[in-house]
Amino acid sequence: GAGVSQTPSNKVTEKGKYVELRCDPISGHTALYWYRQSLGQGPEFLIYFQGTGAADDSGLPNDRFFAVRPEGSVSTLKIQRTERGDSAVYLCASSLNVGVYNEQFFGPGTRLTVL
Amino acid sequence: KNQVEQSPQSLIILEGKNCTLQCNYTVSPFSNLRWYKQDTGRGPVSLTIMTFSENTKSNGRYTATLDADTKQSSLHITASQLSDSASYICVVSAGTGNQFYFGTGTSLTVIP
Repeated sequence: GAGVSQTPSNKVTEKGKYVELRCDPISGHTALYWYRQSLGQGPEFLIYFQGTGAADDSGLPNDRFFAVRPEGSVSTLKIQRTERGDSAVYLCASSLNVGVYNEQFFGPGTRLTVL
Repeated sequence: KNQVEQSPQSLIILEGKNCTLQCNYTVSPFSNLRWYKQDTGRGPVSLTIMTFSENTKSNGRYTATLDADTKQSSLHITASQLSDSASYICVVSAGTGNQFYFGTGTSLTVIP
């Protein structure tokens, strides 16, 4: 596709439920990033993939959060036993991971609301 | 601690006026600094990216400056338009360029 896409655009769930958020990066982009953005705040880094492997998952807040990228393209962010504090916009970005600029291209985000 | 701080937190200006947004950082080792524009409900879109050796870069009515010695950057918007209303986020990358540190953004509102 022409840009990074994320699905669903909105997700409402109940506390304790499991959710999956999907990211389709720009074709050919080897690097993929997940961020979480709370209202009025800048994005907060969660995890970065280089190819299929998680190169840096230091931003994942706890073991309820997990992400995969099994074929080096589409990625899924999985949240178990959701809590109200997980409510935020989850942004995905991808890049070619080459050159000094390594420009990231962001998707529109998934707005997660935990009731 | 690697941090990026932006000021002001919010700003309201009249259409046609100029404004300057500030970014201070303590990220090390520095790789590059970028400014993003984020419209409400959308993902951030890159405006400018600067490496250590670049001290100014323009993109239309947007001009970013970088002082790597004082670890400060500014984004100057000329002849503001209503469509400039958005959040402007300063992002500094460290190390090999895959560690990104985001500021909390400046919310700009341009009024007629």
